[in-house]
Amino acid sequence: DTGVSQDPRHKITKRGQNVTFRCDPISEHNRLYWYRQTLGQGPEFLTYFQNEAQLEKSRLLSDRFSAERPKGSFSTLEIQRTEQGDSAMYLCASSDMRAEQYFGPGTRLTVT
Amino acid sequence: SQQGEEDPQALSIQEGENATMNCSYKTSINNLQWYRQNSGRGLVHLILIRSNEREKHSGRLRVTLDTSKKSSSLLITASRAADTASYFCATDPHSGAGSYQLTFGKGTKLSVIP
Repeated sequence: DTGVSQDPRHKITKRGQNVTFRCDPISEHNRLYWYRQTLGQGPEFLTYFQNEAQLEKSRLLSDRFSAERPKGSFSTLEIQRTEQGDSAMYLCASSDMRAEQYFGPGTRLTVT
Repeated sequence: SQQGEEDPQALSIQEGENATMNCSYKTSINNLQWYRQNSGRGLVHLILIRSNEREKHSGRLRVTLDTSKKSSSLLITASRAADTASYFCATDPHSGAGSYQLTFGKGTKLSVIP
């Protein structure tokens, strides 16, 4: 399967712990996006990379959220000091220079 | 923040009927895209319409765009049980090559009854 993959698919953590999610985009795609989706809502844009450069991060929800894409391939999204309000589905997408984005299956985070 | 608003929030139809979903948005766009999400396949791109286009077709899908009213509609003809999913419109305000920061609506939940 050559689609976007995300790991883990589910994560349960206690409040205050740090979590890190990984996204592997489609190999020929140079653009990578992170979104968050809560129940009953559409995905909400968080951040965007073109190759290894993070070109937009102002929409990250707080300074507890950070993302990297060190070699322009896979990306990680880290949430520090998790809170119950961080419980959501975290989606990764990738694209080439066209407009259509290809989404991964998501990582469902539950903060207890 | 959500820019698009889909209408209706939920829609239930019989297999074989047509389904129409509407999307309204607030700011200028470069293109508008429709995505489908179900538990089996995640979020999948369906169709894109650019701001200078008024109508586009893809298989059983027909999308219209009225930039003067800031609205779009998605028509699914001859619906199938497999069309059961949530449908989202997403707006892209950025010009130039490719999308950048899609803004999604809350979605329409479509149920197609066999």
